[in-house]
Amino acid sequence: RKEVEQDPGPFNVPEGATVAFNCTYSNSASQSFFWYRQDCRKEPKLLMSVYSSGNEDGRFTAQLNRASQYISLLIRDSKLSDSATYLCVVGPLLMDTGRRALTFGSGTRLQVQP
Amino acid sequence: EPEVTQTPSHQVTQMGQEVILRCVPISNHLYFYWYRQILGQKVEFLVSFYNNEISEKSEIFDDQFSVERPDGSNFTLKIRSTKLEDSAMYFCASSEARTSGGETQYFGPGTRLLVL
Repeated sequence: RKEVEQDPGPFNVPEGATVAFNCTYSNSASQSFFWYRQDCRKEPKLLMSVYSSGNEDGRFTAQLNRASQYISLLIRDSKLSDSATYLCVVGPLLMDTGRRALTFGSGTRLQVQP
Repeated sequence: EPEVTQTPSHQVTQMGQEVILRCVPISNHLYFYWYRQILGQKVEFLVSFYNNEISEKSEIFDDQFSVERPDGSNFTLKIRSTKLEDSAMYFCASSEARTSGGETQYFGPGTRLLVL
């Protein structure tokens, strides 16, 4: 079983649409959760961290369900500039100088069309 | 906004040659990382470095790889004898050394390595 699993897409949506991405992770010890965005041939950039209570940043809402080991990202009012690959990323609990390696999903590609 | 920088942006090398990829992490960060992404595949962790030593490494990071912080600003990844399968984008990242809460890893723009 893949450690972090995502639907690869692509998701083709019109401008203004709402789109949701899902992700599941296999390691129940994972304690930190993120969505990164990656444009073609560029570096991953942090979109948002994901907290147990859920969090929102403008048009983006992230949710975490620890019991189901499931993370989601909702994008409202899609813009052309949202076209990218969205990476679900999990990490360990931070403890002193402990493990910090991030585990990436393969990403979900979003194409927003005019 | 401070950022991680990497040089070169592209490197082409012959199989069996040594390559050194360079990174300048964000200045007040204490944790440094190398990740790689083979074309069309996911980003994979290679190694983390803290307090002048490797703190964690993956199965990919075998004896042909080494890391070094030769001075106060640079962080390097050396591949001793490159193989065709080392062709990938190599990302350097850095983070603060928090002991709790969230910690963001900031990624550099990457070095695209092509081994012929």
